[in-house]
Amino acid sequence: AQRVTQPEKLLSVFKGAPVELKCNYSYSGSPELFWYVQYSRQRLQLLLRHISRESIKGFTADLNKGETSFHLKKPFAQEEDSAMYYCARSPPLSSGSARQLTFGSGTQLTVLP
Amino acid sequence: EPEVTQTPSHQVTQMGQEVILRCVPISNHLYFYWYRQILGQKVEFLVSFYNNEISEKSEIFDDQFSVERPDGSNFTLKIRSTKLEDSAMYFCASSGGYTGELFFGEGSRLTVL
Repeated sequence: AQRVTQPEKLLSVFKGAPVELKCNYSYSGSPELFWYVQYSRQRLQLLLRHISRESIKGFTADLNKGETSFHLKKPFAQEEDSAMYYCARSPPLSSGSARQLTFGSGTQLTVLP
Repeated sequence: EPEVTQTPSHQVTQMGQEVILRCVPISNHLYFYWYRQILGQKVEFLVSFYNNEISEKSEIFDDQFSVERPDGSNFTLKIRSTKLEDSAMYFCASSGGYTGELFFGEGSRLTVL
């Protein structure tokens, strides 16, 4: 079964501190990994995806196939980063499946002033 | 910026009643999805829809559920006979292609009494 594990339900850091939100996934071929974010009173939206290797709002995430992890990192957290963060996976493009995302349980990040 | 819209934002119904949740996906998108989130739990995949038919469905999506795109713009989720455990936030999403970026609506909260 495809699983995504986010071990921390809640994470608090001070403004300017580094932050790392952990995500591990069950091994199943070569899934595609994503981070979605939900700010207060807003809809779920894509933050970044591993195939793009991009940095969005200062966040990066590296896919570590050996550890089956896709942790989200930011060197200097800002108060506006406070939100619920969801790690998600989908089958690889070659599998022919539609974009059925499997979500982790989410981590509520609070950045303290 | 185009958005996925959902109605109603909140519906309260009696157990055993039929409920229809409506979604207007982004107009040039081709793939449509329903997800749900029971309070305090993960966002769970229900169904994906492409080319006027279901492409994937989860084990949650049993015979009580159905989806359709009646008029080329709306995408509806029908629950035939609601149960208490159907109480959840239901999210509609759409995507333009095989990119993995799903655009979510704000959700419809269903409360079954």
